[in-house]
Amino acid sequence: DTEVTQTPKHLVMGMTNKKSLKCEQHMGHRAMYWYKQKAKKPPELMFVYSYEKLSINESVPSRFSPECPNSSLLNLHLHALQPEDSALYLCASSPQAQTVWGTGELFFGEGSRLTVL
Amino acid sequence: DAKTTQPTSMDCAEGRAANLPCNHSTISGNEYVYWYRQIHSQGPQYIIHGLKNNETNEMASLIITEDRKSSTLILPHATLRDTAVYYCIVISGTASKLTFGTGTRLQVTL
Repeated sequence: DTEVTQTPKHLVMGMTNKKSLKCEQHMGHRAMYWYKQKAKKPPELMFVYSYEKLSINESVPSRFSPECPNSSLLNLHLHALQPEDSALYLCASSPQAQTVWGTGELFFGEGSRLTVL
Repeated sequence: DAKTTQPTSMDCAEGRAANLPCNHSTISGNEYVYWYRQIHSQGPQYIIHGLKNNETNEMASLIITEDRKSSTLILPHATLRDTAVYYCIVISGTASKLTFGTGTRLQVTL
């Protein structure tokens, strides 16, 4: 199994809602990532988890709350979002806790497309 | 990490080779060249990477100039399914994160 699975594929939520995005991988990878991608822009890193601990937070607003319950699962909890948060949210994983470039790569999921009304 | 420069867009006829250039004139000795692509509304997909030598796999070939200041990704026989945004990324061996530039939008046509 070489897949990163993201659910749901599409999510529409109001600004007062609380929702969660889920990401799962069964490749034994020890690092997991959240990226955000606006239309016609490149993906932008949000969070990195290494061995289930948050290692990088790219100054993301607190209305986005990541969680890594175990080494296979990564969640992104959403609360009080704004319409400008509408985007494609991408999850990725890599074998090592800190990817050693040259030997490693990121595996991406298909993304969850979020619309905030 | 070194900055990369790629053309905004390119066209290629189906069945022909697609040659995507990338300029990375400030690359350091320990920095790798990675290529990813992103087909519309899908997650990015790893293609290939290299340090100094040319590399080839089942998807593509990567040609890195001797001074390492530029590289070319070659898709030998482009198909319509290769239409995507192609990202050239230069990253040091121990960098903690992968940062995407604006990429090249490749359109393969009949």
